[in-house]
Amino acid sequence: DIQMTQSPSSVSSSVGDRVSITCRASQGISRGLAWYQQKPGKAPNLLISAASSLQSGVPSRFSGSGSGTDFTLTISSLQPEDFATYFCQQVNSFPWTFGQGTKVEIK
Amino acid sequence: QVQLVESGGSVVQPGKSLSLSCAASGFPFRSHALHWVRQAPGKGLEWVAVISFDGTNKYYADSVKGRFTISRDNSKNTLFLQMSSLRAEDTAVYYCARDSSFCSGGTCYSGYFDYWGQGTLVTVSS
Repeated sequence: DIQMTQSPSSVSSSVGDRVSITCRASQGISRGLAWYQQKPGKAPNLLISAASSLQSGVPSRFSGSGSGTDFTLTISSLQPEDFATYFCQQVNSFPWTFGQGTKVEIK
Repeated sequence: QVQLVESGGSVVQPGKSLSLSCAASGFPFRSHALHWVRQAPGKGLEWVAVISFDGTNKYYADSVKGRFTISRDNSKNTLFLQMSSLRAEDTAVYYCARDSSFCSGGTCYSGYFDYWGQGTLVTVSS
């Protein structure tokens, strides 16, 4: 199975900050990567597919980049509603696997 | 709008069985593969199983293979997960999720989960 490793595990930031989360795959996955946002007690929400394709309705302050083994989710200007946990997921190889999550907390 | 509503979660003893359901609405049910994804308390996400749009193809995570069975009833827009020989490590919130690919034939999965239910909690404990 492909292992997905996110860093950092948590980050404390302020409203307006630029935040970047990285995700590394244990082997190349081309651009087969998704990012999800999850708020406490809620189901995950798909933000980005194919490494950089923003889902409909997702604010443009979210962006994704990368290919192969290294990927990044960037929030250009953190908003109060963005405090949540973010997961990456690879879809290149079965079984589909997730990173362990990155919690974005209020500083 | 797309809705997925899970039900059936409860407290069950180790070794017992339990069946989950997911009622879907707001989209062409028989045109999408469907998944079960679980999340242990305070932990990350684990993909569990997928079933093709027509129910002919099913795949499972190694952790549940041989114990869980995914199925669907396209006439009732409902997805199922039959769980047997339950273990403590199966304790989790179980989500049903829609695969983003629109299928008109063949084996089609994107692996992207574009809509999720609210989840149902399964607790395996004596």
